[in-house]
Amino acid sequence: GAVVSQHPSWVICKSGTSVKIECRSLDFQATTMFWYRQFPKQSLMLMATSNEGSKATYEQGVEKDKFLINHASLTLSTLTVTSAHPEDSSFYICSAPRLRRGTNNEQFFGPGTRLTVL
Amino acid sequence: DQQVKQNSPSLSVQEGRISILNCDYTNSMFDYFLWYKKYPAEGPTFLISISSIKDKNEDGRFTVFLNKSAKHLSLHIVPSQPGDSAVYFCAASPYGANSKLTFGKGITLSVRP
Repeated sequence: GAVVSQHPSWVICKSGTSVKIECRSLDFQATTMFWYRQFPKQSLMLMATSNEGSKATYEQGVEKDKFLINHASLTLSTLTVTSAHPEDSSFYICSAPRLRRGTNNEQFFGPGTRLTVL
Repeated sequence: DQQVKQNSPSLSVQEGRISILNCDYTNSMFDYFLWYKKYPAEGPTFLISISSIKDKNEDGRFTVFLNKSAKHLSLHIVPSQPGDSAVYFCAASPYGANSKLTFGKGITLSVRP
């Protein structure tokens, strides 16, 4: 099946630093990718839609200047958490939809990135 | 306002029995529904999906039922196995490629040996 990778799988950083998370679709092209975050025992909350070659679309309440998204190619989207603070500590997951014949969107998720801000 | 609801946070069943996981939604624009399985510190894994033109979809031990009039769907796992123990998320989207998913809060399933 389709594979989506994320790097790094976990990161610990000091408050005030920026962290970049990469999301790659390994065997298919994705013009759109999605970024989610998940707090413990909570649902996956959509943060933004990453669009190849254009600006990302952010969900209500998500600061676009804090969570910078770049979708530079059809297989790579990056999420940069700028000036990270402890409240940004979370599990960040990306997904990429792949079209299949005769079916609707099927989204494949990356393994997630655990961010801990000290 | 939660558009996809999984009201039971957990479910425990005996190995070999049926597991029934429920999900309700409120948005009438949702046309496509998916179930994902997730282990801690991992990304969700796609299990099974159903579009609104169907009321049932089956894949091996997994069957999803959709009652569109009640805005309710359920995932049946039979027979349940200990390896099925995980968090199960229900998700929904309007029809169309690249549509963003709205997730429920998840149900933790424990299958007892």
